[in-house]
Amino acid sequence: AQKVTQAQTEISVVEKEDVTLDCVYETRDTTYYLFWYKQPPSGELVFLIRRNSFDEQNEISGRYSWNFQKSTSSFNFTITASQVVDSAVYFCALSERETSGSRLTFGEGTQLTVNP
Amino acid sequence: EAGVTQFPSHSVIEKGQTVTLRCDPISGHDNLYWYRRVMGKEIKFLLHFVKESKQDESGMPNNRFLAERTGGTYSTLKVQPAELEDSGVYFCASSLDLAGVYEQYFGPGTRLTVT
Repeated sequence: AQKVTQAQTEISVVEKEDVTLDCVYETRDTTYYLFWYKQPPSGELVFLIRRNSFDEQNEISGRYSWNFQKSTSSFNFTITASQVVDSAVYFCALSERETSGSRLTFGEGTQLTVNP
Repeated sequence: EAGVTQFPSHSVIEKGQTVTLRCDPISGHDNLYWYRRVMGKEIKFLLHFVKESKQDESGMPNNRFLAERTGGTYSTLKVQPAELEDSGVYFCASSLDLAGVYEQYFGPGTRLTVT
């Protein structure tokens, strides 16, 4: 069965520090998709990135970067030079194309607090 | 373009009462999903509509939950009768068709409290 583990429940950093949020997944499918969502204090879930299982290239978008490693079943998210506005709950999610269609399996989330 | 909207934002009801949550997806999105997050745990899938048809309802916890999507537009999720363990945040999401795998866009959620 599919599973997503975000072992870090809470992380607290000081502004301008770099921070990495870990995500480890389990799946039997060969075709799957990984996602990261951000939930700011306002409550909505904001889509950040989608990755498919055939594309292990790392991705960078501004201060955000993602490291996808199939060998360790990990899809980690790094924020460089963190800012107070990055404070939020971050969720990693998995979608298995073959066995469970398009529904998302989420991790429990990591609460990131960036202090000024 | 308007995002996914949900109504109400908060609902407080007593055990045994009925509550109906509404979701309006992004216009043109055939796929509509319901999820919920209970007690700070992970967000869990409830069900998936493709237009007006239920594609997957394997996550629905029991028969006290009824979801509809008449006409393939907005959707409602009714809980009747509500129990204490139903408290949580109910999210709705929508996405384009499934030919590819598209990201799901989420609404702000409805926080349900059953007392």
